[in-house]
Amino acid sequence: QVHLVQSGAEVRKPGASVKVSCKASGYTFTSYYLHWVRQTPGQGLEWMGIMNPSGGSTSYAQKFQGRVTMTRDTSTSTVYMELSSLRSEDTAVYYCATVIVATPVWGQGTLVTVSS
Amino acid sequence: EIVLTQSPGTLSLSPGERATLSCRASQSVSSSYLAWYQQKPGQAPRLLIYGASSRATGIPDRFSGSGSGTDFTLTISRLEPEDFAVYYCQQYGRSSWTFGQGTKVEIK
Repeated sequence: QVHLVQSGAEVRKPGASVKVSCKASGYTFTSYYLHWVRQTPGQGLEWMGIMNPSGGSTSYAQKFQGRVTMTRDTSTSTVYMELSSLRSEDTAVYYCATVIVATPVWGQGTLVTVSS
Repeated sequence: EIVLTQSPGTLSLSPGERATLSCRASQSVSSSYLAWYQQKPGQAPRLLIYGASSRATGIPDRFSGSGSGTDFTLTISRLEPEDFAVYYCQQYGRSSWTFGQGTKVEIK
């Protein structure tokens, strides 16, 4: 069974960085792209970017260019999303997700709170 | 970027009634890559429909999806109390995903 398990909630001060992990299991990690999506409080869903776990290539939404970095560790089937220069507006739940046989699969979400 | 517009913004209905939610795309979406989600407060989105019309595992058959091209519909045949929530459509056929802004189904 396909699972994406994310790291736990984080609290950061404005200006800091946060790194969220997403561990994949139940499928061939390098065969399917991995996406990151966030949801700010009371708002809708916002796509942040995509990573190819095979070669490590990435593509980021323009809004996050320069602040987001996606990396992976193929030995542990884990993808990481690091967001820097945090501001209060980055307080959100961050999700990793993939698509396998045309079916989306999501992680459980990681709450990141940015507060002084 | 494909923009998804959902309507109505809010749907006020009673349990037992039929709900029809619309998702319109700014350009054609491959039907294989259109999904619907249900979200309740404090919870992650729950996949209901993928590929425009296929129910996800464990989803009751009162939920159905239809449509193609730029117009898609989620229908809940008879609303149960647990169905009152926010519903989102999503296109995932390209390297960048987009989501509708959501339709809230509330109790009348």
